[in-house]
Amino acid sequence: GENVEQHPSTLSVQEGDSAVIKCTYSDSASNYFPWYKQELGKRPQLIIDIRSNVGEKKDQRIAVTLNKTAKHFSLHITETQPEDSAVYFCAATPSHNTDKLIFGTGTRLQVFP
Amino acid sequence: EPEVTQTPSHQVTQMGQEVILRCVPISNHLYFYWYRQILGQKVEFLVSFYNNEISEKSEIFDDQFSVERPDGSNFTLKIRSTKLEDSAMYFCARTGGKSNEQYFGPGTRLTVT
Repeated sequence: GENVEQHPSTLSVQEGDSAVIKCTYSDSASNYFPWYKQELGKRPQLIIDIRSNVGEKKDQRIAVTLNKTAKHFSLHITETQPEDSAVYFCAATPSHNTDKLIFGTGTRLQVFP
Repeated sequence: EPEVTQTPSHQVTQMGQEVILRCVPISNHLYFYWYRQILGQKVEFLVSFYNNEISEKSEIFDDQFSVERPDGSNFTLKIRSTKLEDSAMYFCARTGGKSNEQYFGPGTRLTVT
């Protein structure tokens, strides 16, 4: 079945710097790749997603890139702010026949002022 | 978009007891999902439910688990005989306007003692 790996597990950056989180997936039929932000004790919140027919998507300070050949996708946060501090999870939908999400193991991002 | 609500927010139960977790949709959604998240770990898919039937379930979703939509609105996850390892956050999710997008409820923290 689908396996999603995520790196790094922790990431510390200075306010204003950029942060990059990377994920790889195993199922080449995967077609949907969302990113979730989870603050302590809260629900995962969908922040951006990308589908397999697109290589890059941007929404203000966050962007996601997808390399289907290499089977990896990345989250880029620019001009980081302390409120960006949270755990970020990538996920993938294994194929067109399912809509379940397979999550990565998470990245704890700390933005220091 | 309006989310789902979940009750209770926290449930403490003794090992071997049955628990019922509830997901209350704000509007008439057809697709629902249950996920669980053991403390400090990744989010794991349990089951998807479409039009009052299970459409897919994971290996975690064994005979101890069941899902129902008993009154056509609330959506329940039942664990028949809880084990210590069932202690986790349980999230209900629904799809959004676009296919694949999933929005999580606030979760129920289940503590099995």
